[in-house]
Amino acid sequence: DIQMTQSPSSLSASIGDRVIVTCRASQDIRKYLNWYQQTPGKAPKLLIYATSTLQSGVPSRFSGNGNGTGFSLTISDLQPEDFATYFCQQSFTMPLTFGAGTKVEI
Amino acid sequence: QVQLVQSGAELRKPGASVKVSCKTSGYTFNTFGTAWVRQAPGQGLEWMGWVTNSNGDAAYARKFQGRVTMTTDTSTSTVYMELRGLRSNDTAVYYCARRNYYDSSDFWGQGTLVTVSS
Repeated sequence: DIQMTQSPSSLSASIGDRVIVTCRASQDIRKYLNWYQQTPGKAPKLLIYATSTLQSGVPSRFSGNGNGTGFSLTISDLQPEDFATYFCQQSFTMPLTFGAGTKVEI
Repeated sequence: QVQLVQSGAELRKPGASVKVSCKTSGYTFNTFGTAWVRQAPGQGLEWMGWVTNSNGDAAYARKFQGRVTMTTDTSTSTVYMELRGLRSNDTAVYYCARRNYYDSSDFWGQGTLVTVSS
């Protein structure tokens, strides 16, 4: 199975900050990398698919980058509603696997 | 609008089975597939498998093969996930999600808590 390693596991940030979350795959997954946001008690929400394509309705302050084994999610101008846990997911091959998550806190 | 509405919470004893439903609406059911993902309390996300809505073809994570069955009912646009031989570490929230571009999951159900306890 492909292992997805996210870092950091948590971070503290302030409103207006720029935040970067990284995700590394244990093998080449080309651009098959997706990002989700989850708030407590809610289902995950798709933010970005195929490394850098913004899901419809997602604010443009979210962006994704990378290729192969190294990927990043950037949140520019952090807003109150962005405090959540973020998960990366590889969809290159089965079983699809997720990173352990990055909790973005105040 | 796209909606996936799951059945309610379940309590089962070890060794029992559970079947969770996921009723979809707002899109052409046969055009998409449905994935199932679970999340144990305080833990991360775990992909269980997916099913092609139109014909019921399913693929499962090796970890669940032999214990899980995912099926579809095209007449009601509903997807089902049955997990057998439940153990305490199967206690989790189970989500269904629509499979879309690059096999991402773009719409999710609200989740179904399955508790396994004697």
